[in-house]
This record gives sequence, structure tokens and C-alpha cells, in this order.
Amino acid sequence: QVQLVQSGAEVKKPGASVKVSCKASGYTFTSYYMHWVRQAPGQGLEWMGIINPSGGSTSYAQKFQGRVTMTRDTSTSTVYMELSSLRSEDTAVYYCARGGAPSDWGQGTLVTVSS
Amino acid sequence: SYELTQPPSVSVSPGQTARITCSGDALPKKYPYWYQQKSGQAPVLVIYEDSKRPSGIPERFSGSSSGTMATLTISGAQVEDEADYYCYSTDSSGIMGVFGGGTKLTVL
Repeated sequence: QVQLVQSGAEVKKPGASVKVSCKASGYTFTSYYMHWVRQAPGQGLEWMGIINPSGGSTSYAQKFQGRVTMTRDTSTSTVYMELSSLRSEDTAVYYCARGGAPSDWGQGTLVTVSS
Repeated sequence: SYELTQPPSVSVSPGQTARITCSGDALPKKYPYWYQQKSGQAPVLVIYEDSKRPSGIPERFSGSSSGTMATLTISGAQVEDEADYYCYSTDSSGIMGVFGGGTKLTVL
């Protein structure tokens, strides 16, 4: 069955960067897009961007342009999301989700930004 | 930037029909998707491509669209359906995704 397993919780200081991984299994990795979605405490879902694992092409929400980088490693069926210049407002659970539209979701990774 | 608009809350009694709406200018051209999220859990897809139901989702969940509005209907809502519900779609380019603000469904 499809599994998306994300890396563990992170605590970062303002101004630092964080890199979250999402390891896929149970399907052909290069056949499905991967989205990144975040959810701040008590808030709604926010779409961050998408990567095509086949060629590596990406599209990012305007809000995150210049701060987010999504990459993939086809040898390990893993996608990565790196967010730089972290601020307290970036404290959130970050999800990867497979599909043309997000269909299968990872378990989420809590990123806490605090001095 | 493109937005999808949902009501913040909907409340029904058990057994009643709950309807959650989602409005957006590109919805006549781009499919809506619906997600259920219970507290502390990852979202679960309940309706895709406007009205299709993934396997394992109860038949009481259905979706429809008319013009710029999509609707998630829960027929005979049950206490376990209490959750936050989000619509998702893309802008007219088909590239940029967007979620609605979410609707808290209360069943009591």
C-alpha cells in the first residue's frame, strides 16, 4: 500500500533553515506529483507547492517564492522540502501529499521556530 | 491570488443533512476536492474530481458543483463526522493549488 513517511520533528531558531523529507513506498515514485502543505497551530491548510518527481520540475505558491526549495532523490524515492529564513510564523505541521491533487498524505512533521 | 471561500462553521443534529459550500471563480473549469480532518490527524480525501468517492468513504458523503460553487453533502450526518472540512482546487492555470479556509462541522 502507499506509504509516505516523513522525517521527525524539528526545532529551529529564527533565520535558520529546515529540510523535511518524505520517503515514498508502495507505488512508482516517478508517476505521481508530490505536494507540500502546511498547517499552523489552530489554522487551516496552506498549499506550499508541488514537485514532479519524474523530471524534478517545481511550482511554488507565491507566498513562499524565494524561500522554499523542493527536490527529489529518485534513488531513494524521497522528496525534500527546504524552507529558509525561518520566522516564528513558520511554526507548523508540514505534510507531503501524493497525487495530481493531494490524495495520500504523510503523517506530518512539526517544525517549531523559536529563539 | 486565487481564493476559495468556505463558511467557518456548520452545525447539524445527528441524522440530518449537512451541506458545506466552497466558492471560487475557477471552479467552473477546475475540479474541487474535499478533505476531512479530525483533531490531531492528517487530512483524508473524501471526494475527488467534484463528485467521486474514494474507496472506503461512506456513501453518505457526496459532492456536487454548480457554476462557481461546490458543495459537500453529508446525508444523515453522524457524530463521528464531526471534523474540519476543506475544499481544494487549482487556479485557472491548473498549476497553483489552493485550499479553502475550512469549515468546522459540529454534529450534536
